[in-house]
Amino acid sequence: AQTVTQSQPEMSVQEAETVTLSCTYDTSESDYYLFWYKQPPSRQMILVIRQEAYKQQNATENRFSVNFQKAAKSFSLKISDSQLGDAAMYFCAYRRLSNSGYALNFGKGTSLLVTP
Amino acid sequence: EAGVAQSPRYKIIEKRQSVAFWCNPISGHATLYWYQQILGQGPKLLIQFQNNGVVDDSQLPKDRFSAERLKGVDSTLKIQPAKLEDSAVYLCASRPLTVNFYEQYFGPGTRLTVT
Repeated sequence: AQTVTQSQPEMSVQEAETVTLSCTYDTSESDYYLFWYKQPPSRQMILVIRQEAYKQQNATENRFSVNFQKAAKSFSLKISDSQLGDAAMYFCAYRRLSNSGYALNFGKGTSLLVTP
Repeated sequence: EAGVAQSPRYKIIEKRQSVAFWCNPISGHATLYWYQQILGQGPKLLIQFQNNGVVDDSQLPKDRFSAERLKGVDSTLKIQPAKLEDSAVYLCASRPLTVNFYEQYFGPGTRLTVT
């Protein structure tokens, strides 16, 4: 079974600063997807960014980027120029490529606080 | 495009009572998921449907939980009888059947409190 670990229950960042959220995972497979989801208090899960394991290039979406280290099974999220609206729970998730179900395995989440 | 709809948004019941949650996925999405999110944890898959067939229900506590997806569209998740540890947010998600379509679209969830 694949496990996803987020070792930071809470993180804090000042507005306009940069913060990095950590995620490690355990798998024996070589092809898979990794995701970061954002969950604000409204509970709506929003996809922030994804990474395909076969791609060496790190994914980037505007102010969000990842540092994907496949050998180390590490997948961190960097948020640049943090904004108040970035405050939320952030979940790292893994999805098997070979599983026809494509269900997500989530970590326990990191609560991000953004201070003015 | 309308998103994934869920109802009710909140539900409070006593233990041993029954409860049902409803999910209406995005139109045309063949795959539907129910996740359970206990406070302080990430969502955990309960059951996955493809059209009206079950793909994965290995983590569904079948002695008390049941789910159906009639006609491959709406889905209902039922708990009977509820236990205190069932207090959680129940999230529904859907995605198209397209191979390698990576994104799942989530609904707003139903927060269940069992007292």
